[in-house]
Formats: sequence, C-alpha cells, structure tokens
Amino acid sequence: GENVEQHPSTLSVQEGDSAVIKCTYSDSASNYFPWYKQELGKGPQLIIDIRSNVGEKKDQRIAVTLNKTAKHFSLHITETQPEDSAVYFCAARRSTNAGKSTFGDGTTLTVKP
Amino acid sequence: IAGITQAPTSQILAAGRRMTLRCTQDMRHNAMYWYRQDLGLGLRLIHYSNTAGTTGKGEVPDGYSVSRANTDDFPLTLASAVPSQTSVYFCASSALAGAQETQYFGPGTRLLVL
Repeated sequence: GENVEQHPSTLSVQEGDSAVIKCTYSDSASNYFPWYKQELGKGPQLIIDIRSNVGEKKDQRIAVTLNKTAKHFSLHITETQPEDSAVYFCAARRSTNAGKSTFGDGTTLTVKP
Repeated sequence: IAGITQAPTSQILAAGRRMTLRCTQDMRHNAMYWYRQDLGLGLRLIHYSNTAGTTGKGEVPDGYSVSRANTDDFPLTLASAVPSQTSVYFCASSALAGAQETQYFGPGTRLLVL
C-alpha cells in the first residue's frame, strides 16, 4: 500500500519568514496530493492540492510543488503570519483507490510574532 | 450551510460498552468516510461509503462497523469498546468517490475508552 512520510514534525519560524514542509510517497500510481490545515480542536481543512499532471500550483501565499520522478511534494508558505500556526497534513491518493487517502503524520507549524 | 456535523463532541466510555458516533452532512455528497487520528499521527481511514447503500473497509476497520442507509447519515459503531480505540474520530465527505475529489471534514469526536 501507499506510505507517506512528512518532515519536519515540528517547525518554528519568525513572522514574515517562509516555511517549507516536505512529503514523500511510495506508490508511483498516486496522482492527487492534497494539503490540509488543522487548527486546534477542529477538523482538517483543505488549503491546496495538486494533481500529477502539473509540477507547481500557487494560491496567494501558499504553493505546492510536485516531483513525480522523485516521488515527493512540498508545501511552501511565504510571508508567514501568526494565524498560519496549525498542524499541516499532506496526503496522497490514486484513482483506483477512489477517495481513500494516505496521510502523513503532520507538521506542527508555529509562527512567532 | 452546516456542512458536516458530528455527535457527540466528546465522550468517556467504559471498556466493553457499545457506542455509536453520528455523522450527518447536508451537502448531498455521495461519498463519506470515517478516520481516526491518534496523537502525533496522521489520519487513518476506518471505513468509507462511495454512495448510499454501500460501504467498504479502510486501513483500520477492525472493531468498527458502519451503515449508510441514506445519503446524509453515516454512523460509526464500536460494538465493544477497547482502550486502544481512544482517539479523535473525524467524519468526512466528498461530492463523488473519485480520487481527486475534495474531502470536507467534520469537527471531530474525542473518545476516551477506560
């Protein structure tokens, strides 16, 4: 089955700096890679996703890159703000598994004012 | 639009007791999912339903059962709770069961089994 590894497990940055979270996956058939943000006491919320036919996607301060050859994808947050502090999860999914995602273990991001 | 609601918000349960976690969505989504989240770990899929009337096993189905009698509701039952089922349980849904469908998550149920 699919295995997703996420690094780092914790990340602390100064407000205004950039944050990068990396994930690797094992199943070369995976073709959809969502990123979720989870605030304390809440459920995960999709913040950006990327499909295997593109290498990069950007939405304001958030971007995701995908390297299919190396089987890794990364979340980039620029100009971080204290409200970006949360736990971030990556996931991988493939068509034949329908909606069944495999999640990374999460990264706790702390943005210091 | 409420999205996905889960009940109860939290529960303390004695080992051996039966418990049903409720999940309701008002988005008319076809697919629904149950995940558990343990401290320091990502979400693991317990059971899923691609459409009303069908269910399937996820990564960690043992000790859990589900039903999908209609589109809106997807209850998760622990027949005889054990301490290892202490976790936070999230229900999710997506419009379709396709691999690239966005999943929307409920607020979670925090369950402690003693």
